[in-house]
Amino acid sequence: GAGVSQSPSNKVTEKGKDVELRCDPISGHTALYWYRQSLGQGLEFLIYFQGNSAPDKSGLPSDRFSAERTGGSVSTLTIQRTQQEDSAVYLCASSSGPGTGALHFGNGTRLTVT
Amino acid sequence: ILNVEQSPQSLHVQEGDSTNFTCSFPSSNFYALHWYRWETAKSPEALFVMTLNGDEKKKGQISATLNTKEGYSYLYIKGSQPEDSATYLCAFMGSGGGADGLTFGKGTHLIIQP
Repeated sequence: GAGVSQSPSNKVTEKGKDVELRCDPISGHTALYWYRQSLGQGLEFLIYFQGNSAPDKSGLPSDRFSAERTGGSVSTLTIQRTQQEDSAVYLCASSSGPGTGALHFGNGTRLTVT
Repeated sequence: ILNVEQSPQSLHVQEGDSTNFTCSFPSSNFYALHWYRWETAKSPEALFVMTLNGDEKKKGQISATLNTKEGYSYLYIKGSQPEDSATYLCAFMGSGGGADGLTFGKGTHLIIQP
């Protein structure tokens, strides 16, 4: 398809387990963003990639969170030793360029930590 | 932490009426202001990307204005229809470009009553 693809769409995991979320952006989009939405909250910025590099990782909530992007395309967001407060919808978006390119969002991954 | 405020938080409007709501953002170091529509069970969809003070954008019955000097943007919907029911998000990017990501407001939840 031509849109942003995220997998899995739903993930239920036990507290303390590691999870990996995947984002496949629109082909040719150089900018890639990760956000999360916790229950009743707005969109919280996590990390932004321009190509393979992440100029600012300060949005990541703790050192249990990491993200990488390889080949300027697919990105993975990894959460180690998951906690219940990590439960949220994780959204990925890509754009043709930072700032002035509109974001195209995936359908998100709903993560539930039990 | 950038402060992006949207008001009102929620709004009920009769079908056929016009409405508007506000996004406030920092008036310094402006780079871009985005508007998105987020319908239930879907991912956010871009409406407008605005970069110039005084900019006005229009898409069908929806329009937006931008005042970067005073740090606000208005979104207008003329002749509301039930399908306009959604959460409308604005997002601000400072002049650091994409490094800070787009900071989203918490949204205005619009309900159009038939």
